[in-house]
Amino acid sequence: AQSVTQLGSHVSVSEGALVLLRCNYSSSVPPYLFWYVQYPNQGLQLLLKYTSAATLVKGINGFEAEFKKSETSFHLTKPSAHMSDAAEYFCAVSDPGYSGGYQKVTFGTGTKLQVIP
Amino acid sequence: DAGVTQSPTHLIKTRGQQVTLRCSPKSGHDTVSWYQQALGQGPQFIFQYYEEEERQRGNFPDRFSGHQFPNYSSELNVNALLLGDSALYLCASCMANSYEQYFGPGTRLTVT
Repeated sequence: AQSVTQLGSHVSVSEGALVLLRCNYSSSVPPYLFWYVQYPNQGLQLLLKYTSAATLVKGINGFEAEFKKSETSFHLTKPSAHMSDAAEYFCAVSDPGYSGGYQKVTFGTGTKLQVIP
Repeated sequence: DAGVTQSPTHLIKTRGQQVTLRCSPKSGHDTVSWYQQALGQGPQFIFQYYEEEERQRGNFPDRFSGHQFPNYSSELNVNALLLGDSALYLCASCMANSYEQYFGPGTRLTVT
C-alpha cells in the first residue's frame, strides 16, 4: 500500500523567505509523486509532478521539488515566499504499475502555509 | 475552455436522506474520479469511472455509488446519509493513461 506523510500541518514563513514543505512517501514500487495547492473554497491545482524522469522537478509559481529515493522524500521548495503563496499544500503518491492507465492517487493530510508580511 | 465543473456548490441534507452530486469533466477528458475531503484532511479516493464503468474503488461503503454518462459526465450518489458524510466532494478528470488530474471546485455537503 502506498502512503504519504506530510510533516507539519502548519508552516509559517516571512515574505521573501525560503519555503520548505516536507513530504515522505511509502510505496512498494517506484512511485509517481505530486504536489497540489488548494486555495480557500477552491479545488486542487497541480503544482508539479515526478514521473521517473528528472529527479528535480520544476512547477508553476516558482515551486520545485526533488525526488530523493534514498530518503523516500519529495520536499517542496520555493526560494522566496510571496503573500499569494498562502494556501494549503498536499503531497500525493500514485502507483504507476496499473497498465490500464491512471491509477488512484493517495493524498497526505496537507500543510497550511502562512506567509507573514 | 471550461475546466471541471461541479454542481451544486453547497448542499444541506438530513441524516438518512439520499444525495446526488454532478460533475462535468474538462473538455477532452474521459476519466472521472471522485474524492471526499473531510475538514482538515486530505482528499480520500472514492472511485474512478472510465468508459461508463467503475474502474477502481477506494475504501468506501456501498452507500456510495456512481455513474458515468456517454458524454463522460458523472454523478456521485450517497444513500442513507450519515453525519460523517459531511465533507467537500471533489471531482477530478483526466485523459486515460494520464496522471495529470484537473480538479473541480467541489460540492460542500452538510448532513444535519
